[in-house]
Amino acid sequence: SQQGEEDPQALSIQEGENATMNCSYKTSINNLQWYRQNSGRGLVHLILIRSNEREKHSGRLRVTLDTSKKSSSLLITASRAADTASYFCATDVTGTASKLTFGTGTRLQVTL
Amino acid sequence: KAGVTQTPRYLIKTRGQQVTLSCSPISGHRSVSWYQQTPGQGLQFLFEYFSETQRNKGNFPGRFSGRQFSNSRSEMNVSTLELGDSALYLCASSWATLSYEQYFGPGTRLTVT
Repeated sequence: SQQGEEDPQALSIQEGENATMNCSYKTSINNLQWYRQNSGRGLVHLILIRSNEREKHSGRLRVTLDTSKKSSSLLITASRAADTASYFCATDVTGTASKLTFGTGTRLQVTL
Repeated sequence: KAGVTQTPRYLIKTRGQQVTLSCSPISGHRSVSWYQQTPGQGLQFLFEYFSETQRNKGNFPGRFSGRQFSNSRSEMNVSTLELGDSALYLCASSWATLSYEQYFGPGTRLTVT
């Protein structure tokens, strides 16, 4: 079963706009990670945020984590066509060491 | 540093056959995890190996098995293939545990006919 549910399932924006996608999860976590996947290929790690962190930045990416609401958001600023991909959150659930549970993913389409 | 490599990249098998997929992690990485990705079920955890020991296993039937060698390379085997086993199988490696970022290979696309 999926630990994370992502919202929206699909998002279409124009180049230069910001994209926000959300992830909700069900149980306590050690950390939450975001990954990008270009069509039918391997996943690329974007950012890891630990349960005691609230916000993290990496280039055009900003991730927030609210453990009280069991939710996280990924913001991509000034999007580019190359950002077109599926984005997944993954949780390292407390008490289940060595197992990452992935969300359902958000499909982002950035048009010129 | 070379990335995670998976072989073969594409595979077509017939129902009832068995298949072995291989994964070579990034040099120095001791943890290797396997995931199955399908359109219907998404990304699902299969198992994770660290220093040749299976540390965790997902909710898959016993037809799915794996192992890790002393050089950290890993293989997964699926016996008695079913049509529903058609999927993209992804391998990921990390330095120690899943609290660290995972580096994924390009995957093996398995088609069962």
